[in-house]
Amino acid sequence: QQQVKQSPQSLIVQKGGISIINCAYENTAFDYFPWYQQFPGKGPALLIAIRPDVSEKKEGRFTISFNKSAKQFSLHIMDSQPGDSATYFCAAKRGTGGFKTIFGAGTRLFVKA
Amino acid sequence: NAGVTQTPKFQVLKTGQSMTLQCAQDMNHEYMSWYRQDPGMGLRLIHYSVGAGITDQGEVPNGYNVSRSTTEDFPLRLLSAAPSQTSVYFCASSYSTGEGFEQYFGPGTRLTVT
Repeated sequence: QQQVKQSPQSLIVQKGGISIINCAYENTAFDYFPWYQQFPGKGPALLIAIRPDVSEKKEGRFTISFNKSAKQFSLHIMDSQPGDSATYFCAAKRGTGGFKTIFGAGTRLFVKA
Repeated sequence: NAGVTQTPKFQVLKTGQSMTLQCAQDMNHEYMSWYRQDPGMGLRLIHYSVGAGITDQGEVPNGYNVSRSTTEDFPLRLLSAAPSQTSVYFCASSYSTGEGFEQYFGPGTRLTVT
């Protein structure tokens, strides 16, 4: 049972374009939604995160949009660059002091120069 | 700071063998966890610890044991390796922020069980 569904599986974007990755969840107990970026041969690294009481969070070229009623959130990468080519994972953490984080299946992004 | 270190980087085991994957962190984080990463499945939590002496099961704990005798170290033991345990294993250490948890991942151990 996949508690966090991520799409698309892979994505090719032209340099300068916008990359959009979507995630959906079912469990309303989730209270923290991070995105991780992973380069080949490396561990994931936290990119940006949001709590469900905020509808949007922006850090540089990376923006999370959050729709609590639809139980969906998405990552937008503006002005995508070849250096952004990586695998991106959305995730969700259970609330009430919980620690467990559930990851989506990942999206492989390739930005064409 | 070295951050989160994992050894070995690569390992090949035969079915039925046992081994320990090592993980250490020097950031004095309370929380540590082990994940496995398989193609198309993201990262799945195996075991985690909220402090020295305290461990609990994640999503896929069968076939693995952990212990946490110090804040720094969190080894993962494979009791009797099976081909289904072929995967990339990541250790992470975490701390609570005002907003959530910030997790720092190690570089991973690629394990093949033949």
